[in-house]
Amino acid sequence: QKEVEQNSGPLSVPEGAIASLNCTYSDRGSQSFFWYRQYSGKSPELIMFIYSNGDKEDGRFTAQLNKASQYVSLLIRDSQPSDSATYLCAVDSGGGADGLTFGKGTHLIIQP
Amino acid sequence: KAGVTQTPRYLIKTRGQQVTLSCSPISGHRSVSWYQQTPGQGLQFLFEYFSETQRNKGNFPGRFSGRQFSNSRSEMNVSTLELGDSALYLCASSSGTSGNYVTGELFFGEGSRLTVL
Repeated sequence: QKEVEQNSGPLSVPEGAIASLNCTYSDRGSQSFFWYRQYSGKSPELIMFIYSNGDKEDGRFTAQLNKASQYVSLLIRDSQPSDSATYLCAVDSGGGADGLTFGKGTHLIIQP
Repeated sequence: KAGVTQTPRYLIKTRGQQVTLSCSPISGHRSVSWYQQTPGQGLQFLFEYFSETQRNKGNFPGRFSGRQFSNSRSEMNVSTLELGDSALYLCASSSGTSGNYVTGELFFGEGSRLTVL
């Protein structure tokens, strides 16, 4: 059973600070890793993807991947109230054969 | 560019009935995936279609089925509804061009919220 684990939160972060979201996965053969953001009552939207070990930066967002530790993280710099949402970590373990395996998400609250 | 369109947005059914949900992907996208989202289980993969063929299937019973038409529009059907089928059903499209599998770069529709009484 392929699993993706996330702390459900809520994770409360002051406005302007760095929010750090973490995710671990069980399948060592996983190849692709994704972060989706889901606002309450809305559908998920892709914000970052990462395929190789290391860091990938896109604006205020940085995705970090450590395949040896089976660990993925998302950093949000200069957090804004509009970043308040549930962040879903998703892993493609089987070349898509099993679709994406999603974690249950971390609820992030940015406090003004 | 129009996004992914799902219909209906909300529906209420009773146990034993069946339901059909529709999804129109982003123009040019040939892959359509379906996911079920519940508070307890989160997002779970149902199946994926590419060029009218089911390429991948999740661990759901045979009551859940789908199809894709030549214009890439997709439908999913749930027969003999159970209370546990109450969920948000999300359709996602992607270009699906990375070989024989769907990429994780999915674009989701707003979902169809099914309530089974």
